[in-house]
Amino acid sequence: EIVLTQSPATLSLSPGERATLSCRASQSVSSYLAWYQQKPGQAPRLLIYDASNRATGIPARFSGSGSGTDFTLTISSLEPEDFAVYYCQQRSNWPETFGPGTKVDIK
Amino acid sequence: QVQLVQSGAEVKKPGASVKVSCKASGYTFTSYGISWVRQAPGQGLEWMGWISAYNGNTNYAQKLQGRVTMTTDTSTSTAYMELRSLRSDDTAVYYCAREAHGGQSYDYWGQGTLVTVSS
Repeated sequence: EIVLTQSPATLSLSPGERATLSCRASQSVSSYLAWYQQKPGQAPRLLIYDASNRATGIPARFSGSGSGTDFTLTISSLEPEDFAVYYCQQRSNWPETFGPGTKVDIK
Repeated sequence: QVQLVQSGAEVKKPGASVKVSCKASGYTFTSYGISWVRQAPGQGLEWMGWISAYNGNTNYAQKLQGRVTMTTDTSTSTAYMELRSLRSDDTAVYYCAREAHGGQSYDYWGQGTLVTVSS
């Protein structure tokens, strides 16, 4: 099973700051990595698929990069609505797995 | 617009079974697979399994093999997830999610169904 490790566990930032979230896979997932945002009481929302492609309707301040085992989600300038938990996910190898999440909270 | 609408919250006793539904609308149901993902209180996301809405093929997480069954009813565009022999650690919010084109992510999710297992 591919293990996804996310860091940091919590990121405390202020609105307007840049957020950089990391996801590392225990073996290569090529570019088959997705990022989701989840707010309390809500279902996850797809942000990025195939490592670097923004999903429909996702603002340009969200970007993804990486391939193989190391991936990054960047939020260029945090808006108040961006404070949430972010998960990475791979479907490259069975079973598909999610990372444990990074919580972005207000400093 | 694409929507996945799930059935309501359930309270079950240990050892019982639960069946959660996920009604799809706004797209051709048989063109996309559906996965089920659960989230225990305060925890992360756990993939449970996948079903092809085209031919009913399934793929289940190893830890749930033998306890979970996923089915679809193409006449009503509804997917179902049944979990048997419920335990307290099955208490979670259960989500259905539609595979995106290319199959490597999930672009639409149901609103979630809370299943509480308690004696």
